Amino acid sequence: KNQVEQSPQSLIILEGKNCTLQCNYTVSPFSNLRWYKQDTGRGPVSLTIMTFSENTKSNGRYTATLDADTKQSSLHITASQLSDSASYICVVSAQSGAQKLVFGQGTRLTINP
Amino acid sequence: DVKVTQSSRYLVKRTGEKVFLECVQDMDHENMFWYRQDPGLGLRLIYFSYDVKMKEKGDIPEGYSVSREKKERFSLILESASTNQTSMYLCASSVPQVGRTEAFFGQGTRLTVV
Repeated sequence: KNQVEQSPQSLIILEGKNCTLQCNYTVSPFSNLRWYKQDTGRGPVSLTIMTFSENTKSNGRYTATLDADTKQSSLHITASQLSDSASYICVVSAQSGAQKLVFGQGTRLTINP
Repeated sequence: DVKVTQSSRYLVKRTGEKVFLECVQDMDHENMFWYRQDPGLGLRLIYFSYDVKMKEKGDIPEGYSVSREKKERFSLILESASTNQTSMYLCASSVPQVGRTEAFFGQGTRLTVV
């Protein structure tokens, strides 16, 4: 069964600190993995995309890694800001005729001043 | 920028009412999706459509139906709303790109059934 599991479920850190969110998946055949950011009351917005051949991808203070062998991804946030408070959702796309997106349950990140 | 617009941000409906949630995208995307999002369960796919008048059931289609008469518009219908359908509903659209497909989401509709 295709599954995406994220950890931790929630995380609280102080402004300026770094943090890392984890994503493990069992989706086959793998096409790509995206991290989405969802602000409260809004729809998710894509942060990064990782394909099979990519190990690391950065987008400003966000850095995503992918280990296709162990089927793990991480999202590292550097020098956190209050605006980083959101849910972060890992989404894995299966390479099939009809698009299949498998969503993780998300990590709720709270940045405190 | 891709824009996916959902007709309402908040809705309150009574049990047994017929409810229409509308979604419009402006980028000529073939694929459109309806998800519901509940705490602890993440996003779950209700229905998706890959072309006009084409639809396929997702993981939790029971109690819902959809309509896609035009490429840009995808409607979710609750034939007889029930309290367990209280949720956040998210519409998304995408165009298939090998290895790079991205779903663009609307702002969500928070539906409360009383």
